[in-house]
Amino acid sequence: GENVEQHPSTLSVQEGDSAVIKCTYSDSASNYFPWYKQELGKRPQLIIDIRSNVGEKKDQRIAVTLNKTAKHFSLHITETQPEDSAVYFCAASKALVGFQKLVFGTGTRLLVSP
Amino acid sequence: EPEVTQTPSHQVTQMGQEVILRCVPISNHLYFYWYRQILGQKVEFLVSFYNNEISEKSEIFDDQFSVERPDGSNFTLKIRSTKLEDSAMYFCASRAGTSEPEQFFGPGTRLTVL
Repeated sequence: GENVEQHPSTLSVQEGDSAVIKCTYSDSASNYFPWYKQELGKRPQLIIDIRSNVGEKKDQRIAVTLNKTAKHFSLHITETQPEDSAVYFCAASKALVGFQKLVFGTGTRLLVSP
Repeated sequence: EPEVTQTPSHQVTQMGQEVILRCVPISNHLYFYWYRQILGQKVEFLVSFYNNEISEKSEIFDDQFSVERPDGSNFTLKIRSTKLEDSAMYFCASRAGTSEPEQFFGPGTRLTVL
């Protein structure tokens, strides 16, 4: 089955710096890659996603890139702010074909210091 | 903006007792999921549900677990005889349809088994 690896497990940056979180997936049939932000004790919130027919997607300060050949995808946050501090999870799915489950990475705890 | 809701927010039970976790998915969504997250770990898939039947279940979802959509709005997860290791946050998620892969998560129910 699908396996998703995520690195780093923790990431500390200064406010204004950029942050990059990387994931790799094992199932080449995966075609949908969302990123979720989870604040302490809260629900995972979808912040951006990318489909396999796209190499890059941007939404204001966040962007996601996908390399299907290498089976890598990454989350980029620019101009980080303290409110970006949270745990970020990547996920992979074959969701564009049917109602497939999400397979999550192990999470990255991002700490943005003022 | 419509959201997935879950009740209760926290459930404490004795080992061996039955619990029912309740979810109200977003109206008009067609696909429903249960995930769980043990404290400090990643989100894990339990089961997906479509057209009033289970479409996929994980190894975690053994005979002690069941799901039901008793009416047009509720989606429930029942654990028949809880074990200590069932202690986790349980998230319900819903998805609109085949062409819309985004899954929206509820706030979760924290289950504590003593």
